[in-house]
Amino acid sequence: DAGVIQSPRHEVTEMGQEVTLRCKPISGHDYLFWYRQTMMRGLELLIYFNNNVPIDDSGMPEDRFSAKMPNASFSTLKIQPSEPRDSAVYFCASSTLGVQETQYFGPGTRLLVL
Amino acid sequence: AQSVAQPEDQVNVAEGNPLTVKCTYSVSGNPYLFWYVQYPNRGLQFLLKYITGDNLVKGSYGFEAEFNKSQTSFHLKKPSALVSDSALYFCAVRDVTDSSYKLIFGSGTRLLVRP
Repeated sequence: DAGVIQSPRHEVTEMGQEVTLRCKPISGHDYLFWYRQTMMRGLELLIYFNNNVPIDDSGMPEDRFSAKMPNASFSTLKIQPSEPRDSAVYFCASSTLGVQETQYFGPGTRLLVL
Repeated sequence: AQSVAQPEDQVNVAEGNPLTVKCTYSVSGNPYLFWYVQYPNRGLQFLLKYITGDNLVKGSYGFEAEFNKSQTSFHLKKPSALVSDSALYFCAVRDVTDSSYKLIFGSGTRLLVRP
Protein backbone atom coordinates (compact mmCIF):
# COMPACT_ATOMS: atom_id res chain seq x y z
CA ASP A 1 0.00 0.00 0.00
CA ALA A 2 1.22 3.50 -0.84
CA GLY A 3 0.18 4.89 2.51
CA VAL A 4 -1.70 8.14 3.00
CA ILE A 5 -1.14 10.46 0.06
CA GLN A 6 -1.32 14.24 0.35
CA SER A 7 -1.04 16.93 -2.26
CA PRO A 8 0.44 19.35 -2.80
CA ARG A 9 3.50 18.82 -0.61
CA HIS A 10 4.24 22.52 -0.58
CA GLU A 11 1.97 25.48 -1.19
CA VAL A 12 2.86 29.15 -1.24
CA THR A 13 0.01 31.60 -1.68
CA GLU A 14 -0.89 35.17 -0.99
CA MET A 15 -3.23 36.34 1.72
CA GLY A 16 -6.83 36.25 0.61
CA GLN A 17 -6.41 33.41 -1.85
CA GLU A 18 -8.25 30.12 -1.62
CA VAL A 19 -6.17 27.08 -0.70
CA THR A 20 -7.24 23.46 -1.19
CA LEU A 21 -5.35 20.59 0.37
CA ARG A 22 -6.02 17.03 -0.72
CA CYS A 23 -5.77 13.66 0.93
CA LYS A 24 -6.16 10.06 -0.17
CA PRO A 25 -6.42 7.69 2.82
CA ILE A 26 -5.17 4.14 2.95
CA SER A 27 -7.57 1.85 1.14
CA GLY A 28 -9.99 0.19 3.56
CA HIS A 29 -9.56 2.77 6.28
CA ASP A 30 -12.84 4.30 7.35
CA TYR A 31 -11.55 7.08 9.60
CA LEU A 32 -9.85 10.16 8.25
CA PHE A 33 -8.28 12.93 10.34
CA TRP A 34 -6.96 16.39 9.48
CA TYR A 35 -4.28 17.89 11.75
CA ARG A 36 -2.35 21.14 11.79
CA GLN A 37 1.17 21.44 13.16
CA THR A 38 2.80 24.71 14.19
CA MET A 39 5.70 25.56 16.44
CA MET A 40 3.48 27.53 18.76
CA ARG A 41 0.54 25.18 19.10
CA GLY A 42 2.02 21.79 18.30
CA LEU A 43 -0.19 19.16 16.68
CA GLU A 44 -3.89 20.03 16.64
CA LEU A 45 -6.78 17.91 15.42
CA LEU A 46 -8.98 19.97 13.12
CA ILE A 47 -11.68 17.53 12.05
CA TYR A 48 -12.27 13.84 11.56
CA PHE A 49 -14.58 11.72 9.41
CA ASN A 50 -16.03 8.26 9.80
CA ASN A 51 -17.34 6.58 6.67
CA ASN A 52 -17.14 9.93 4.86
CA VAL A 53 -19.28 11.71 7.46
CA PRO A 54 -17.79 14.53 9.57
CA ILE A 55 -17.95 13.49 13.21
CA ASP A 56 -16.15 16.22 15.11
CA ASP A 57 -15.12 19.56 13.65
CA SER A 58 -14.61 21.34 16.96
CA GLY A 59 -10.96 21.90 16.13
CA MET A 60 -11.63 23.85 12.96
CA PRO A 61 -10.33 27.33 13.72
CA GLU A 62 -13.06 29.37 12.08
CA ASP A 63 -15.48 29.56 9.22
CA ARG A 64 -12.69 30.15 6.75
CA PHE A 65 -11.85 26.46 7.10
CA SER A 66 -13.98 23.72 5.59
CA ALA A 67 -13.44 20.02 4.93
CA LYS A 68 -15.22 17.50 2.79
CA MET A 69 -15.01 13.82 2.09
CA PRO A 70 -17.06 13.05 -1.02
CA ASN A 71 -16.03 9.41 -1.09
CA ALA A 72 -13.96 6.85 0.80
CA SER A 73 -10.78 7.62 -1.09
CA PHE A 74 -10.64 11.40 -1.11
CA SER A 75 -10.87 14.35 1.23
CA THR A 76 -10.18 18.06 0.94
CA LEU A 77 -9.40 20.80 3.42
CA LYS A 78 -10.13 24.26 2.11
CA ILE A 79 -9.14 27.64 3.47
CA GLN A 80 -10.93 30.64 2.02
CA PRO A 81 -9.71 33.31 2.35
CA SER A 82 -6.27 32.35 3.59
CA GLU A 83 -4.34 34.43 6.12
CA PRO A 84 -0.65 34.48 7.12
CA ARG A 85 -1.51 32.86 10.49
CA ASP A 86 -2.74 29.80 8.60
CA SER A 87 0.86 29.02 7.67
CA ALA A 88 1.57 25.55 9.05
CA VAL A 89 2.05 21.94 8.09
CA TYR A 90 -1.26 20.17 7.53
CA PHE A 91 -1.38 16.43 7.99
CA CYS A 92 -3.96 13.91 6.99
CA ALA A 93 -4.17 10.57 8.80
CA SER A 94 -6.35 7.50 8.41
CA SER A 95 -7.22 4.45 10.46
CA THR A 96 -9.53 1.48 10.51
CA LEU A 97 -12.56 1.01 12.70
CA GLY A 98 -11.86 0.61 16.39
CA VAL A 99 -10.44 2.81 19.11
CA GLN A 100 -7.42 0.55 19.37
CA GLU A 101 -6.41 1.15 15.82
CA THR A 102 -3.37 3.17 14.89
CA GLN A 103 -3.60 6.35 12.87
CA TYR A 104 -1.29 6.46 9.87
CA PHE A 105 -0.10 9.86 8.76
CA GLY A 106 0.58 11.31 5.35
CA PRO A 107 3.73 13.31 4.58
CA GLY A 108 1.94 16.62 5.13
CA THR A 109 1.40 19.80 3.15
CA ARG A 110 3.58 22.72 4.11
CA LEU A 111 1.52 25.87 3.62
CA LEU A 112 2.97 29.36 3.54
CA VAL A 113 0.60 32.30 3.26
CA LEU A 114 2.34 35.55 2.44
CA ALA B 1 -10.16 15.91 30.20
CA GLN B 2 -7.43 14.01 28.51
CA SER B 3 -3.90 15.36 28.44
CA VAL B 4 -0.36 14.31 27.71
CA ALA B 5 2.83 15.83 29.04
CA GLN B 6 6.29 15.46 27.61
CA PRO B 7 8.37 17.33 30.18
CA GLU B 8 11.56 17.55 28.14
CA ASP B 9 11.78 19.68 25.03
CA GLN B 10 15.05 17.99 24.10
CA VAL B 11 17.00 14.92 25.13
CA ASN B 12 20.69 14.56 24.32
CA VAL B 13 22.47 11.22 24.41
CA ALA B 14 25.67 9.77 23.04
CA GLU B 15 25.49 7.04 20.43
CA GLY B 16 25.53 3.62 22.05
CA ASN B 17 24.07 4.86 25.32
CA PRO B 18 20.55 4.04 26.49
CA LEU B 19 17.89 6.65 25.89
CA THR B 20 14.63 7.53 27.61
CA VAL B 21 11.98 9.95 26.41
CA LYS B 22 9.43 10.69 29.09
CA CYS B 23 5.65 10.84 28.80
CA THR B 24 2.93 11.17 31.41
CA TYR B 25 -0.79 11.22 30.76
CA SER B 26 -4.12 12.01 32.32
CA VAL B 27 -7.41 10.34 31.33
CA SER B 28 -10.71 9.64 33.05
CA GLY B 29 -10.75 5.96 32.20
CA ASN B 30 -8.11 3.57 30.98
CA PRO B 31 -5.67 4.77 28.34
CA TYR B 32 -4.60 3.67 24.93
CA LEU B 33 -1.08 5.03 24.52
CA PHE B 34 0.98 5.60 21.39
CA TRP B 35 4.42 6.78 20.40
CA TYR B 36 5.14 8.38 17.05
CA VAL B 37 8.37 9.65 15.53
CA GLN B 38 8.74 12.52 13.07
CA TYR B 39 11.82 12.96 10.93
CA PRO B 40 12.53 16.34 9.30
CA ASN B 41 10.02 17.25 6.61
CA ARG B 42 8.15 13.99 7.07
CA GLY B 43 4.86 12.89 8.54
CA LEU B 44 4.51 11.10 11.85
CA GLN B 45 5.45 7.45 11.84
CA PHE B 46 3.92 4.98 14.27
CA LEU B 47 6.43 3.35 16.65
CA LEU B 48 4.41 1.38 19.16
CA LYS B 49 1.25 1.31 21.23
CA TYR B 50 -0.12 0.02 24.51
CA ILE B 51 -3.67 -1.26 24.48
CA THR B 52 -3.78 -3.93 27.15
CA GLY B 53 -1.73 -6.81 28.46
CA ASP B 54 2.01 -6.76 29.07
CA ASN B 55 3.18 -3.43 30.42
CA LEU B 56 6.35 -3.59 28.33
CA VAL B 57 5.62 -2.93 24.70
CA LYS B 58 8.14 -3.48 21.94
CA GLY B 59 7.98 -1.50 18.73
CA SER B 60 9.84 -0.55 15.59
CA TYR B 61 13.58 0.18 15.31
CA GLY B 62 14.39 -1.41 18.67
CA PHE B 63 12.25 0.96 20.71
CA GLU B 64 10.18 -0.13 23.66
CA ALA B 65 7.93 1.58 26.18
CA GLU B 66 6.75 0.69 29.63
CA PHE B 67 3.23 1.42 30.79
CA ASN B 68 3.13 2.36 34.47
CA LYS B 69 -0.42 2.83 35.66
CA SER B 70 0.44 4.02 39.15
CA GLN B 71 2.73 6.72 37.81
CA THR B 72 0.52 7.37 34.75
CA SER B 73 3.60 7.19 32.58
CA PHE B 74 4.56 5.64 29.26
CA HIS B 75 8.26 6.36 28.78
CA LEU B 76 9.95 5.45 25.52
CA LYS B 77 13.26 3.63 25.79
CA LYS B 78 16.00 2.13 23.69
CA PRO B 79 19.00 0.23 25.06
CA SER B 80 21.52 1.63 22.58
CA ALA B 81 20.91 4.87 20.71
CA LEU B 82 21.85 5.45 17.07
CA VAL B 83 22.60 8.77 15.41
CA SER B 84 19.76 7.95 13.02
CA ASP B 85 17.34 7.97 15.97
CA SER B 86 17.66 11.75 16.10
CA ALA B 87 14.14 13.05 15.46
CA LEU B 88 11.05 14.50 17.11
CA TYR B 89 9.08 12.07 19.26
CA PHE B 90 5.41 12.40 20.17
CA CYS B 91 3.45 10.60 22.84
CA ALA B 92 -0.33 10.36 22.38
CA VAL B 93 -3.26 9.09 24.43
CA ARG B 94 -6.84 8.09 23.85
CA ASP B 95 -9.31 7.42 26.66
CA VAL B 96 -10.91 3.98 26.37
CA THR B 97 -14.18 5.32 27.75
CA ASP B 98 -14.31 8.24 25.33
CA SER B 99 -16.53 7.54 22.34
CA SER B 100 -14.49 10.02 20.38
CA TYR B 101 -11.68 8.72 18.23
CA LYS B 102 -9.47 11.66 19.05
CA LEU B 103 -5.82 11.21 19.85
CA ILE B 104 -4.34 13.78 22.21
CA PHE B 105 -0.72 14.47 21.40
CA GLY B 106 2.04 15.76 23.62
CA SER B 107 4.15 18.73 22.61
CA GLY B 108 6.96 16.55 21.36
CA THR B 109 10.53 15.84 22.51
CA ARG B 110 13.47 16.37 20.23
CA LEU B 111 16.03 13.57 20.55
CA LEU B 112 19.59 14.37 19.56
CA VAL B 113 22.05 11.49 19.45
CA ARG B 114 25.69 12.56 19.29
CA PRO B 115 28.20 10.43 17.36
